[in-house]
This record gives sequence, C-alpha cells and structure tokens, in this order.
Amino acid sequence: KAGVTQTPRYLIKTRGQQVTLSCSPISGHRSVSWYQQTPGQGLQFLFEYFSETQRNKGNFPGRFSGRQFSNSRSEMNVSTLELGDSALYLCASSPPAGAGELFFGEGSRLTVL
Amino acid sequence: GENVEQHPSTLSVQEGDSAVIKCTYSDSASNYFPWYKQELGKRPQLIIDIRSNVGEKKDQRIAVTLNKTAKHFSLHITETQPEDSAVYFCAASSGRGGSQGNLIFGKGTKLSVKP
Repeated sequence: KAGVTQTPRYLIKTRGQQVTLSCSPISGHRSVSWYQQTPGQGLQFLFEYFSETQRNKGNFPGRFSGRQFSNSRSEMNVSTLELGDSALYLCASSPPAGAGELFFGEGSRLTVL
Repeated sequence: GENVEQHPSTLSVQEGDSAVIKCTYSDSASNYFPWYKQELGKRPQLIIDIRSNVGEKKDQRIAVTLNKTAKHFSLHITETQPEDSAVYFCAASSGRGGSQGNLIFGKGTKLSVKP
C-alpha cells in the first residue's frame, strides 16, 4: 500500500502570499489530519477532516483553512502568509474507526521570506 | 483545552543503558496515549500506544506505563542502541466526537545514545 503522499515537499513564499498544500491519504483511510511542526512549538494540531467534513479544529487563525474531497484527498490553504508560518506541515491519515494510529506523510516544508 | 507536558527535552545515555521519558496531561477525558519516534528528516512514526483501560504495555525493548489518577504516562526504553537516537513525542487524545486525528503532542525529547 502506498503511504501518505504530500505535495509539494518544499516551497518558498513571500509574506502576504498564499499557499495550498496537498495530501493523499493511504487508500481506505477516510480521516485526514494536518499538523504544523516547528522547532519551538513541536507538533500542533491544525484540523481534521472525515468524509469531506471538518471534524475538529485546532487553535489557529482563520488564515488557515482546509478541505477534503470525495476521494479523501485533502488540501490546506494558508492565506496572507506571515514569517511565523514557516514550518513543516504534516498530513496524517487514520484507518477506520477505533484504530487510533496516525500515519504521517513526509511533510511540506514551507519557508516564508 | 488539553495540554501535554513532556520531560526531559533532551536525554543522553550510553548504549545499553535505559531511557525514561515522562509526560503529564491535563484533560481527564483523555483515553488514548501514543508515542511517536521521529528520526532526523523523517516522518513521525508510532512506536507504541496505550489506552486508558490498561496500566502498562510492552513491546520488546520499549514499554509504556499509565497512571490515570496522576495523569501521567512514561516511555521506557531498555538496552538502548544507537539507532534509538531520535526525537520522541508523547501525545494524548480524548477521541471526542469520534475524532481519531486530534492528538495533542508534547514538545518532544531528543534522545542521543552514545556508542
């Protein structure tokens, strides 16, 4: 089975721009979560999607948004980028209910200049 | 909201020694406690997890203990090897609303195992 795939792997943006990151979960996984990883704050939960619906949201400003498509693929968008948005954005998918384990992708490393 | 604190932030041990990492959580509704290992430049991967109806779980050289009353859980690695060197994250989840993907992570422990 293919793992969680994230694109792009690396990107550089400037302040004020917006960015869209993509995540393809493991086949059969319907839950997709997004995390921001930074050296100072560790892994912070952004949001979770299940069956095209946002099931949970972390404590991030409204500039961070996401969506999920009918094939379970997910995208997250960050608008009006700030320097502090520079981070590794990790996507994770979960197998059907009850398992609990998250399978992470390699991440998208965003640098904001 | 839920908060997970993890200690120590760095840990250096000699090969063959044991390593212990401790975490505390704040939400008494938390019922799932996984541990993830992240090697340099790689994705986090689950190494062991425990649910609130169990006090201890072992898998070869790693074990996790949970004290629900005190709201803390620990990771124990015995007979450490250089390949155990990585950053370890604890996490907690209450699974509210059927959520599987909402984990609250500790800030990580960088473990270095010296040959």
